[in-house]
Amino acid sequence: SAVISQKPSRDICQRGTSLTIQCQVDSQVTMMFWYRQQPGQSLTLIATANQGSEATYESGFVIDKFPISRPNLTFSTLTVSNMSPEDSSIYLCSVRGISGANVLTFGAGSRLTVL
Amino acid sequence: GQSLEQPSEVTAVEGAIVQINCTYQTSGFYGLSWYQQHDGGAPTFLSYNGLDGLEETGRFSSFLSRSDSYGYLLLQELQMKDSASYFCAVREKIYNQGGKLIFGQGTELSVKP
Repeated sequence: SAVISQKPSRDICQRGTSLTIQCQVDSQVTMMFWYRQQPGQSLTLIATANQGSEATYESGFVIDKFPISRPNLTFSTLTVSNMSPEDSSIYLCSVRGISGANVLTFGAGSRLTVL
Repeated sequence: GQSLEQPSEVTAVEGAIVQINCTYQTSGFYGLSWYQQHDGGAPTFLSYNGLDGLEETGRFSSFLSRSDSYGYLLLQELQMKDSASYFCAVREKIYNQGGKLIFGQGTELSVKP
């Protein structure tokens, strides 16, 4: 399965600032998925990032708040803009495994705390 | 849209068997998956059922009944290291792109000595 490197692994941020999370995959993938996991909660899909096109955002998530870049088939970034304490979460990127569309491989996550 | 329901927490003792149920409502069903997540770790894939029946992988088995919109994860010979959160997930199709995974709320399993 793919190996995903995510950084930063954790950060403490001030209200009103923005932070960009990077996700690097060791193989070329068509789709990358960004999830959010709030403390003690499930994984919620933020958006699907395709190389060469605009990301597709889920209901409740907008590009102005979570801009995504996908410059090539191995890399993506997610920016959390104008952060508030409610954005304190773990942000995870993921890709499909070679076993098929039902198998996702996740990065280790970026744990953000907004003060 | 999709919705999945699973118990919020389950407690069992070492060596026992535990079953974590998942019921789902979906407009388009493409299989039920299970993921394990240890505290502070990333979710990892455990099992997938695309058709009715039982899939076995070592101590873990997963079952699906599409007619009942129901599945479960069965963990046998529980070990302390099995203490984790377990998520069921269904795939929702996105046009022709193969779909996105929607996760249940997770079941926190505590294994006691």
